Amino acid sequence: RKEVEQDPGPFNVPEGATVAFNCTYSNSASQSFFWYRQDCRKEPKLLMSVYSSGNEDGRFTAQLNRASQYISLLIRDSKLSDSATYLCVVRAGGYQKVTFGTGTKLQVIP
Amino acid sequence: DAGVTQSPTHLIKTRGQQVTLRCSPISGHKSVSWYQQVLGQGPQFIFQYYEKEERGRGNFPDRFSARQFPNYSSELNVNALLLGDSALYLCASSLQGMGTEAFFGQGTRLTVV
Repeated sequence: RKEVEQDPGPFNVPEGATVAFNCTYSNSASQSFFWYRQDCRKEPKLLMSVYSSGNEDGRFTAQLNRASQYISLLIRDSKLSDSATYLCVVRAGGYQKVTFGTGTKLQVIP
Repeated sequence: DAGVTQSPTHLIKTRGQQVTLRCSPISGHKSVSWYQQVLGQGPQFIFQYYEKEERGRGNFPDRFSARQFPNYSSELNVNALLLGDSALYLCASSLQGMGTEAFFGQGTRLTVV
């Protein structure tokens, strides 16, 4: 089993739709969780950290379920500019290695 | 303020050669991490350095090495290049470790022929 697993997609959704991505992780000692966004042939950029209580940033909502070991990202009212690959990132404590998922590709269509 | 800068942006090397990639973190950031991203995959963690010491290492062979300098810039060295080393090499800078927000450079695209 991979340490961090994501559905690679692609997810093709119309503008204005709501879309959700899940990410599962295998290391129960994982402590920090993030969603990054990566545009084609560009570097990843931090979208949001994921907190135990869940957190929201505008149209984006992130949730963490430690019992089931997954995190989710919900995007509401999708925009064309949301088209990108969304990377789930998990870190164990201290200076332990950071593990990226393979990414989920989102394509928002007019 | 300048972001994370990496050099060179593109590089072509021959199998068996050695390569050095460079990264300058954001001013004030003391941690630099290196990642390898193969097309269609997520970035794979190679090294993390904080305050000039190696703090974390991923599952990469000893052909990969790195160091961090007093000004917090960093170099990634890869010896005895293989075709499979062809990838985008990303450097990430953060105040401390990855528990804090990390910023990526644009990457160095290495092609081994």
